[in-house]
Amino acid sequence: KQEVTQIPAALSVPEGENLVLNCSFTDSAIYNLQWFRQDPGKGLTSLLLIQSSQREQTSGRLNASLDKSSGRSTLYIAASQPGDSATYLCAVCYNFNKFYFGSGTKLNVKP
Amino acid sequence: ETGVTQTPRHLVMGMTNKKSLKCEQHLGHNAMYWYKQSAKKPLELMFVYSLEERVENNSVPSRFSPECPNSSHLFLHLHTLQPEDSALYLCASSQEAGYHQPQHFGDGTRLSIL
Repeated sequence: KQEVTQIPAALSVPEGENLVLNCSFTDSAIYNLQWFRQDPGKGLTSLLLIQSSQREQTSGRLNASLDKSSGRSTLYIAASQPGDSATYLCAVCYNFNKFYFGSGTKLNVKP
Repeated sequence: ETGVTQTPRHLVMGMTNKKSLKCEQHLGHNAMYWYKQSAKKPLELMFVYSLEERVENNSVPSRFSPECPNSSHLFLHLHTLQPEDSALYLCASSQEAGYHQPQHFGDGTRLSIL
């Protein structure tokens, strides 16, 4: 069974700090990897989607990288803000409709 | 406005009740999904529909019965549920079913089984 692991489970940082969230997966034969944000009591918001042929994707202060051979992805958040506080989830897609999610990293950015 | 609307937002029901969860997407997408999010467990994909046809069923118990009458609406019919079925049920949609499409999520229905 494919497993997706996110480390750390929780992270608290002061405002303005750059930070990295990690996602690892056991089977490197992925089709894509997606990073989501989930606010309390809300659904998921898609942040970045990286196809298996890509190395990274960028959107504003967010940068996601993918290293299939090592089974890892990172989400880099630059100049963190209190509004970035949320749970960040990574999801790996292995074929047509097989999605596996990590348990998430709960981020708290302190003003 | 997320484009994917789920009702009700909260539902409390007994184990012998029958209820339905509703999802509606206003994005013109052709694929819709049901997910279960339990406390301290990863999000689990339950069902996938493409153009009203079920294309994936991840070994979900028969007490959960999905229905997709058209590409904009998705239902999850519930009956004889168990306490461990208490969770947040999320609906999502994408332009087409498949790995290359980003998914758009609703805010979920928080289900509590007494």
